[in-house]
Amino acid sequence: DADVTQTPRNRITKTGKRIMLECSQTKGHDRMYWYRQDPGLGLRLIYYSFDVKDINKGEISDGYSVSRQAQAKFSLSLESAIPNQTALYFCATSAATSGRYEQYFGPGTRLTVT
Amino acid sequence: AQSVTQPDIHITVSEGASLELRCNYSYGATPYLFWYVQSPGQGLQLLLKYFSGDTLVQGIKGFEAEFKRSQSSFNLRKPSVHWSDAAEYFCAVGALEYGNKLVFGAGTILRVKS
Repeated sequence: DADVTQTPRNRITKTGKRIMLECSQTKGHDRMYWYRQDPGLGLRLIYYSFDVKDINKGEISDGYSVSRQAQAKFSLSLESAIPNQTALYFCATSAATSGRYEQYFGPGTRLTVT
Repeated sequence: AQSVTQPDIHITVSEGASLELRCNYSYGATPYLFWYVQSPGQGLQLLLKYFSGDTLVQGIKGFEAEFKRSQSSFNLRKPSVHWSDAAEYFCAVGALEYGNKLVFGAGTILRVKS
């Protein structure tokens, strides 16, 4: 089984709808991240969380919110989706306690807003 | 501000030829560096990482990278490319001083011709 899972894998929604993307991990990592990927722009950080009670804005947080329900779960919400939020979304985890900061990624969610 | 530049958007090499993908960074701190690979429809997989010590690091799938502090570079190399190496490659940089968040380059798409 994959260590970092994302649901759904693909989603098409309409402008103005609320949508939630979910991420779960079995790696036991304390840190979790949400990124969006757009062609030619690489990955940009939306939000990150260093533990259950810690939520931080990233580079492009406007229009998004997150919830860290447990150490293993980190959800990303679009309160009112707009077409320019069409992108590939990735969840990632890392374990700062190990002294290593590499991040491990889920398979991604492809979101289309029409 | 921290930045990561991958100068080549696309690179095409023949199967069996050598490969070098360039990565330059701008960081006012001691960086740690990563290369990730993204195959079509997949998430990001860590190829290799540099934290300290030997500036030539070995990774998976026969890849290596060399950290050159004087040039602020961390170029990825492979002596003989296989058709299965066709993918998009991302360089990422982080630093303890910046909260261990990673900044990604825009990516380089590698095409392998037979």
